[in-house]
Amino acid sequence: KQEVTQIPAALSVPEGENLVLNCSFTDSAIYNLQWFRQDPGKGLTSLLLIQSSQREQTSGRLNASLDKSSGRSTLYIAASQPGDSATYLCALRGDSNYQLIWGAGTKLIIKP
Amino acid sequence: GAGVSQSPSNKVTEKGKDVELRCDPISGHTALYWYRQSLGQGLEFLIYFQGNSAPDKSGLPSDRFSAERTGGSVSTLTIQRTQQEDSAVYLCASSSGQATNEKLFFGSGTQLSVL
Repeated sequence: KQEVTQIPAALSVPEGENLVLNCSFTDSAIYNLQWFRQDPGKGLTSLLLIQSSQREQTSGRLNASLDKSSGRSTLYIAASQPGDSATYLCALRGDSNYQLIWGAGTKLIIKP
Repeated sequence: GAGVSQSPSNKVTEKGKDVELRCDPISGHTALYWYRQSLGQGLEFLIYFQGNSAPDKSGLPSDRFSAERTGGSVSTLTIQRTQQEDSAVYLCASSSGQATNEKLFFGSGTQLSVL
């Protein structure tokens, strides 16, 4: 059974630092992996989607990587800003199933 | 519409009452999901609609939960005889349903509080 883990559950860093959020999974047979951002009281916003054949995707200050063999994905945030404060969740789609398997998220706080 | 719309944004109800939660997906999206998110937890899959196919109800936690999708667009999640453990944020998402490598677009959710 596929399991998705995000560690740490919470992270606080000073503004301006580069940081990495981690997502690990137990079964390498995946179709894709997505990173989402959730702000308090809001829904989720898709940030990046990495297909199983890809190793990374970039959008602005965000870079997501995927290493299926080690069961890991990372979300790299460069030059962090207070506006980056949110909960970041990863979710993956396994085999041909449309369902997403979700991590519990990492709550990120960027201190001004 | 421009995005996924959910209503109400907040719902407070008494234990034992029925509630209906509404989701308007992005126009043209054939796939629609309902998720539940409890405080500090990941998302729990509830139900999935894809076009005219029979919905996947495998995530519904009990027979008090049901969902419909009328005309392939608007969906309603109904919880009968609500219990305190039903308190959570209920999220709706839609996608084009055209490929497995597609993004999901989420609504802002309905915060349900059962007293």
